[in-house]
Amino acid sequence: NAGVTQTPKFQVLKTGQSMTLQCAQDMNHEYMSWYRQDPGMGLRLIHYSVGAGITDQGEVPNGYNVSRSTTEDFPLRLLSAAPSQTSVYFCASSFISSTSRNEQFFGPGTRLTVL
Amino acid sequence: AQSVTQLGSHVSVSEGALVLLRCNYSSSVPPYLFWYVQYPNQGLQLLLKYTTGATLVKGINGFEAEFKKSETSFHLTKPSAHMSDAAEYFCAVSDSNYQLIWGAGTKLIIKP
Repeated sequence: NAGVTQTPKFQVLKTGQSMTLQCAQDMNHEYMSWYRQDPGMGLRLIHYSVGAGITDQGEVPNGYNVSRSTTEDFPLRLLSAAPSQTSVYFCASSFISSTSRNEQFFGPGTRLTVL
Repeated sequence: AQSVTQLGSHVSVSEGALVLLRCNYSSSVPPYLFWYVQYPNQGLQLLLKYTTGATLVKGINGFEAEFKKSETSFHLTKPSAHMSDAAEYFCAVSDSNYQLIWGAGTKLIIKP
């Protein structure tokens, strides 16, 4: 199993450019999420999905779009990049159940710089 | 609303010394608690978790944590620090909607 994979590992954008961060998992998890990590702020939830066709906003959704057409893939789109979106982005997936309570598996991250 | 507080953004210990990373939480439901570790330039991986049952939980790499309901704490310990333990550690609680609420993280620095 590859687990959770993310591409690209690094990306530099100019202000106003758009791009898509890719995330895929091969564990048949119904729950997938995107976080951003900034120094001293821990992990902040951007968007999440509880299954194909179902997405919802997290704590910091502005400037980002998601879709979930398959169980495996959960891409994150930056519509018009801004310097404030410079961050490390993590994708995670999990089973949701009363026993696992969303124990999440993380990808290796994408380091994004917006100039 | 649930919340997680990690005391100390940086903790420094000597190699071989006790590691203690503090985590306090608030939760309106019986908490499920997690500790994750992030090594430099990597993603997060699960260190240990508390769900129900035994309050002393053992994890990977010699770490353990004790759930103390009366103190609303879930502190992470390791008897003897190793250089390879240098990383950032995150505490999280699962809320009533199964979302994870994260602490801000604690960077563990190991002095030779």
